[in-house]
Amino acid sequence: RKEVEQDPGPFNVPEGATVAFNCTYSNSASQSFFWYRQDCRKEPKLLMSVYSSGNEDGRFTAQLNRASQYISLLIRDSKLSDSATYLCVVTGDSGYALNFGKGTSLLVTP
Amino acid sequence: GAVVSQHPSWVICKSGTSVKIECRSLDFQATTMFWYRQFPKQSLMLMATSNEGSKATYEQGVEKDKFLINHASLTLSTLTVTSAHPEDSSFYICSASGTGGNYGYTFGSGTRLTVV
Repeated sequence: RKEVEQDPGPFNVPEGATVAFNCTYSNSASQSFFWYRQDCRKEPKLLMSVYSSGNEDGRFTAQLNRASQYISLLIRDSKLSDSATYLCVVTGDSGYALNFGKGTSLLVTP
Repeated sequence: GAVVSQHPSWVICKSGTSVKIECRSLDFQATTMFWYRQFPKQSLMLMATSNEGSKATYEQGVEKDKFLINHASLTLSTLTVTSAHPEDSSFYICSASGTGGNYGYTFGSGTRLTVV
């Protein structure tokens, strides 16, 4: 079983739509959780950290359920510029190295 | 903010040759450097973790004699792909963590290696 699993998509949504991505992780000892965004042939860029209490950054809301080992990302009022691959990222046993999911592809259309 | 400069951005080399990829932290001390590889439509896979002045720790299945990692200073880490083969063609990317441990991962811009 992969450490971090995501639905690869693609998710095709119109501008202004709300879209949600889910992710599950297998290592119950994981301490830190993140969502990264990766554009084609580019390095990943941190979108937001994910906290147990849930956190929001503008149009983006992240949730963590430690009991279910489940992470989510909600994007409201989608913009064309949101088109990218969204990576669910979890730290491993060492607490340092990042374990990446394969990513969920999002395409926002006019 | 923290910046990691990675060079080259892309390289094409002949089978059997070696390629060196450099990652430099420009405005912070990178105590830990992570090297990842990403094949098309796949996730970033950790290859190795290196701490400044120490030997790198390689993930299972990654040949340490083929992928040489040097982290001799707090601002520079290199990955050398030795005797490259077409199956080594991939996107290689470094990520640096500064003092304090498991926060503040800064990625280089990646190196696209094509072995012909």
